[in-house]
Amino acid sequence: DVKVTQSSRYLVKRTGEKVFLECVQDMDHENMFWYRQDPGLGLRLIYFSYDVKMKEKGDIPEGYSVSREKKERFSLILESASTNQTSMYLCASRSSVSNTGELFFGEGSRLTVL
Amino acid sequence: QKEVEQDPGPLSVPEGAIVSLNCTYSNSAFQYFMWYRQYSRKGPELLMYTYSSGNKEDGRFTAQVDKSSKYISLFIRDSQPSDSATYLCAMATGRRALTFGSGTRLQVQP
Repeated sequence: DVKVTQSSRYLVKRTGEKVFLECVQDMDHENMFWYRQDPGLGLRLIYFSYDVKMKEKGDIPEGYSVSREKKERFSLILESASTNQTSMYLCASRSSVSNTGELFFGEGSRLTVL
Repeated sequence: QKEVEQDPGPLSVPEGAIVSLNCTYSNSAFQYFMWYRQYSRKGPELLMYTYSSGNKEDGRFTAQVDKSSKYISLFIRDSQPSDSATYLCAMATGRRALTFGSGTRLQVQP
């Protein structure tokens, strides 16, 4: 069974803290993505990576960075968390040779910044 | 203006009803159209996929794409309480990342 695992389901952090969100996939997929999901706004793309050590900005990269040192792992970093980064964060992966371009999602990490 | 517009609902229907979910979009370059289903406290899962215009049927689900009107639909026949979820439309050009609608929350009452 294919799996995308996000290490933390629920986090509570304080303003200014550095936050790491980890995502691991076991499908040997080349592409990985970080989205955030907010009520009324849907899923918005933060960053994505087509392969190891590659990264590209999505639609809302400000305040975030990413790391892809190994193929199976894609980390999202909030250098200095702010209250407007309170959200549900969803990691996804995709095979670069998929006919459908289907994304496989993790269960999400709900982050609250106080 | 958002690239993809979707009515957030919530939409409440009785069991057995036909459900119609819709999205409109502005980017005429979109070629791949998908519907994802997201249960509460879970990640989205692919439900239907369509390339370009036309219809696609899978069991109780039918996806329609009208590129001339920039309009896509998902129909659910004989809706069940287990269909209660948020439905997200998504679309893409080529191999770029997907652009999602905001999602429609559906509640099917037994």
